[in-house]
This record gives sequence, C-alpha cells and structure tokens, in this order.
Amino acid sequence: GAVVSQHPSRVICKSGTSVKIECRSLDFQATTMFWYRQFPKKSLMLMATSNEGSKATYEQGVEKDKFLINHASLTLSTLTVTSAHPEDSSFYICSARKGPTTAGNTIYFGEGSWLTVV
Amino acid sequence: AQKITQTQPGMFVQEKEAVTLDCTYDTSDPSYGLFWYKQPSSGEMIFLIYQGSYDQQNATEGRYSLNFQKARKSANLVISASQLGDSAMYFCAMRPYTGGFKTIFGAGTRLFVKA
Repeated sequence: GAVVSQHPSRVICKSGTSVKIECRSLDFQATTMFWYRQFPKKSLMLMATSNEGSKATYEQGVEKDKFLINHASLTLSTLTVTSAHPEDSSFYICSARKGPTTAGNTIYFGEGSWLTVV
Repeated sequence: AQKITQTQPGMFVQEKEAVTLDCTYDTSDPSYGLFWYKQPSSGEMIFLIYQGSYDQQNATEGRYSLNFQKARKSANLVISASQLGDSAMYFCAMRPYTGGFKTIFGAGTRLFVKA
C-alpha cells in the first residue's frame, strides 16, 4: 500500500530555535498534503493544506509565519516551526492525498512527529 | 512490523441502524493505545474513542463503542443508531507506548448513511 514517511519521529529543540519536519510520499505522487497538530487523546487539528507548487492554505488561527509549510515537489512537504516555544510542543502529523481531488481518493497518514521544545 | 488494516473501503448503513467498522492491528509492543477518528468533508480529524491495551472493559463514548478483542488484535468501531451526519471517513489508529512515539493509521473506511 501507499506509504507516507515523516521525519524525524521525535525531536527536542531549544526555545527560540527552528525545527523542520518532513513528510514524504514514498511510492505515489501527492498533489495535496495536510498538516495536523494533535493534543493528547484529542482530535487532530488541521493546520494547513499544502498543494504542490503553490502556497499553503492555512486554517483560521494558525500563524503562517510561525508554521512555514513548503510543498516543493509531488513527494515532499515540510513543516518548519520557527522560533519554537514550549507551547509549540505537540504531536504533528501529515497526510497525503493519493489521486485526484474527488470524494473517492484515498488519504494516507504519516506516523507523526513529536516535538518537544525546552 | 506494526500495521493497521481497515478492510472496508466503503460501507453503507441505513439511518437509525447500527454499523460496525472493522480494524485489525499488528504490533509486538505489549502496551499500546487504539484510537478512532472521524473525518468529515471539512478535513478535520475528530477524536471519537480510545482503548488502552490493558483496559479490561471495552471503551464507550455515547453512540460509539469499541469492540476490543486483544487476542484477535481487532478494535472494531460500533456506531449505534446511525445518523445522516455520521457520513464521513473513519480512521483507526494505533500508538505503541514502548520503543517509540509513532502513530500508525489505517487507510480509512468511508461510511455512507442512507435516509
């Protein structure tokens, strides 16, 4: 089946630094990728929708300058948390849509990345 | 290898009836959590229910219940009294609590509730 890889799976960074999380679709081209943030045992909050070659569409309340999303190719999207603070510590998950933008397409999830800001 | 399998790409259910969405998993970790999420067309992922691997009783949350059969490694979601608003994608997920912090998602099941 289709595979989405996220890296790193766990990262610890110092407050004030930036950290990049990669999301790759390993065996399919993903024109659309999604970034979520999860709080313990709670829903995944959609942060942004990333379309290859264009600017990401951010959900309301998500700081565009803090969470930089780049979708440079059909197999790679990156999330950069800039000037990270402890409150940014969370579990970040990406997903990639395989197929055209219709109701019948399939979305595959990465395994998530734990970010801890100290 | 750790894996989640949802064998039903699509399901139909009549309004007010119950439906079971299948989920089987594979892990060698002794401790893990199982989750179900609902994804409506808006894209958000709504947490529905959680089951810990050591929980003795099956989890229930309102109309949602998780039929957890540890020996068979299955964690099926049961939705009782289906409503039209239940039409969505449903994802089963597993998070092992030892040796890593990854969450593995299934491919999802699209549920259609008919009036």
